[in-house]
Order: sequence, then structure tokens, then C-alpha cells
Amino acid sequence: NAGVTQTPKFQVLKTGQSMTLQCAQDMNHEYMSWYRQDPGMGLRLIHYSVGAGITDQGEVPNGYNVSRSTTEDFPLRLLSAAPSQTSVYFCASGDVRGGQPQHFGDGTRLSIL
Amino acid sequence: RKEVEQDPGPFNVPEGATVAFNCTYSNSASQSFFWYRQDCRKEPKLLMSVYSSGNEDGRFTAQLNRASQYISLLIRDSKLSDSATYLCVVNAGGGNKLTFGTGTQLKVEL
Repeated sequence: NAGVTQTPKFQVLKTGQSMTLQCAQDMNHEYMSWYRQDPGMGLRLIHYSVGAGITDQGEVPNGYNVSRSTTEDFPLRLLSAAPSQTSVYFCASGDVRGGQPQHFGDGTRLSIL
Repeated sequence: RKEVEQDPGPFNVPEGATVAFNCTYSNSASQSFFWYRQDCRKEPKLLMSVYSSGNEDGRFTAQLNRASQYISLLIRDSKLSDSATYLCVVNAGGGNKLTFGTGTQLKVEL
């Protein structure tokens, strides 16, 4: 009954470091996405994928890369961390068809010093 | 203009009260609508989908007005456990890309 699993839950990085946020789902969902949530801004879409091997940019993609080699996994890579990337990151998955709700992981709280 | 707009609140209401939230969206091509609930520092969780004819789930009623491009959520007989932020979410087409409002904070008090 795992649903969407994100790791790590907390991370502190120094400016310029790189890291990968992991996301895995066990619901066989084709659609997966990454959001960031900042105070007063709501959730903003970073990248999304409609299936293995297919990814696309969302609203705020700069500074992030994604890949989708399997249906289950959708990692988010920060190439060179900046303080502006301090945020809470949520991964979500859902049916690829429009009109279906998405299910969220419990988030990664990332601080960039 | 934001794609999805909500009054941020907070709405402070006594236990047992009825409270209503509205949300407006800018894209007239929007096809699907949802209300999510988010507790402090937790992930958003689906509260209910919103259907054209309106729908009810226990104490919660959602309405959609396509002509005026707004969505509403009515909570009856508020409970302390209803205290949370309520997110209005819209799918404007193009697969399953969702656009989130910034949320309306509800505080239910004794």
C-alpha cells in the first residue's frame, strides 16, 4: 500500500552541489510529475512525464532535469543547487488521461545554503 | 491574472458552522476540476472531484459554474479536523497537467 514514495524527506545542500530526489510509485500510473511549493505561490509544475521515455517541461523547469526510464521511477536532478531552489518538492502520479486526480508523495524538504 | 485564484483566508469559523470557499479560473477550455486538502507541512490529498452537475460527499458539496468560471466548496457542520488549507485545482486539457490555486486556509475553533 505504498502509493508514491519520495526520498529523502529532508536534505540540506550547499550552493553548487548537485543531488537527485527520488520518486517511485507502485500504482502502474503512466503520468508522473514534480512540483515545488513555496509560501504564497502554491504548487508549481517543474517537469512531467506521460510514460517511460517521455518527459516534458512544466512551468518552472530551469535548474532541474528529469528522466523516466521505467514506469515506476521519476527522479528529479538538481544540477547546481541555488538558494532559490530551497522549497518543498512533491512528486505525484496519476492516470495519463485528463480528468483523473493525482496522488502525491509526502514531499522532500530541501534547503540550499 | 493567475490561472486559478482563491481567497487565501484564513477563514476562522466556530465548530458546527457552514463555510464556503470560491475559486475562479481563467482558462475557459478547462475540463476537470478538483478540491484538494493540505494539512500543515503535508502532501495535498484529493478531497473531491467537481462535476458539472454539482456533487456531494457527506458534509462537503462542490459546485461548478462554467459560464462564470468558478468553483465552490461548501462545508457543513464544520469539525475541528476540517482545519486545513483547501486547494482548488484545474485541468486545462493537454493530458493530466494540473494547475493549483494558492489555497484557502480554514481554521475551525471551539
